[in-house]
Amino acid sequence: QVQLVQSGAEVKKPGASVKVSCNASGYTFTSYYLHWMRQAPGQGLEWMGWIHPNSGGTNYAQKYQGRVTMTRDTPISTAYMELTRLISDDTAVYYCTRRGDAFDIWGHGTMVTVSP
Amino acid sequence: EIVLTQSPGTLSLSPGERATLSCRASQTVSSSYLAWYQQKPGQAPRLLIFGTSSRATGIPDRFSGSGSGTDFTLTITRLEPEDFAVYYCLQYVSSYTFGQGTKLEIK
Repeated sequence: QVQLVQSGAEVKKPGASVKVSCNASGYTFTSYYLHWMRQAPGQGLEWMGWIHPNSGGTNYAQKYQGRVTMTRDTPISTAYMELTRLISDDTAVYYCTRRGDAFDIWGHGTMVTVSP
Repeated sequence: EIVLTQSPGTLSLSPGERATLSCRASQTVSSSYLAWYQQKPGQAPRLLIFGTSSRATGIPDRFSGSGSGTDFTLTITRLEPEDFAVYYCLQYVSSYTFGQGTKLEIK
């Protein structure tokens, strides 16, 4: 079936970087934009940016410009989101999601905890 | 940036009742680009409605969406126990923004 499987939870120190992976299966990876969202504990959803798996083109929310990099490895149908210079406010669940009919398929989420 | 404001913040109802959730945009949103999501604790959001009124695959017909311009509504007729969750609206015409959510709780 169509699914996105994300990497496991991470604990990082302030100032470090984190790289989350998202493996797609059940559909043609290169045919759909792949977006990243995040959700801080008890908070709402926030869009971070997208990557087009075919071209590698990206578009990032202004808030994350300079700190986020989205990449992909097409042969293994996997997208990556790297966030640098982590602070405590980056503690959140990070989701990858496919842009089909709206955001129709979501990964299960990756908890990233930033703690001294 | 288009701001989406959802009301009420919390809605307390009983199974079998009808729920009406509102999403108001700070500027006009094309009806083709308004969606609704359901999220349960510890789970990813689940797409319910896209394009204001189209149900996503597998979504029961007790869920319906309507609206235009700046005012949109998600209606759930005959609430089932599994419907109690947080609901978010999303606009995807000008970048991407979500409402702050409506928590639907059991009365």
